[in-house]
Amino acid sequence: DAKTTQPPSMDCAEGRAANLPCNHSTISGNEYVYWYRQIHPQGPQYIIHGLKNNETNEMASLIITEDRKSSTLILPHATLRDTAVYYCIVRVEVGDMRFGAGTRLTVKP
Amino acid sequence: NAGVTQTPKFQVLKTGQSMTLQCAQDMNHEYMSWYRQDPGMGLRLIHYSVGAGITDQGEVPNGYNVSRSTTEDFPLRLLSAAPSQTSVYFCASSFSTAGNTIYFGEGSWLTVV
Repeated sequence: DAKTTQPPSMDCAEGRAANLPCNHSTISGNEYVYWYRQIHPQGPQYIIHGLKNNETNEMASLIITEDRKSSTLILPHATLRDTAVYYCIVRVEVGDMRFGAGTRLTVKP
Repeated sequence: NAGVTQTPKFQVLKTGQSMTLQCAQDMNHEYMSWYRQDPGMGLRLIHYSVGAGITDQGEVPNGYNVSRSTTEDFPLRLLSAAPSQTSVYFCASSFSTAGNTIYFGEGSWLTVV
């Protein structure tokens, strides 16, 4: 599996866009970029995933660089409820997914 | 549609006791897996299964047994509980094809005293 690197923590003002970076320079051609988040004490929640193209859904946007070595998760209008740990994972299949430390995002009023 | 169901939600065990955490899914997923999460830490994969009759070890398998006799169920057994196994346990399931999402249960809080 490709290794990912995320900042350990980030802050964002409520109502502003939260941009969470992820580096995955060893990604293989068939590996997807997945983003999950965990709001204590719940289990991880799926946000979005992509292979090559940028993706958008009702929760977030995923921007993948052309060389696929990095990506950015964008929460367009962060709210206090978006405070969570965000995980960037690069995998083909997800069944035995490994979670790293992630980025702890704190949305401040 | 129940999704991924874990039981029990809370359990207190004495050191040396055995117990089974139950996990069931109704989505016909091939993959099922168990994770543990210690306070302030990330999730670590214990065991996983790619289908009925097939299991494999994850990152932290010691002290745990699993079996997969049906597609729907994937129980996690603690044969002789230790205080180091105090944790929150999450069961998850997904389809095996690439690009699918993984679904998590609500967690089981286990305390070993």
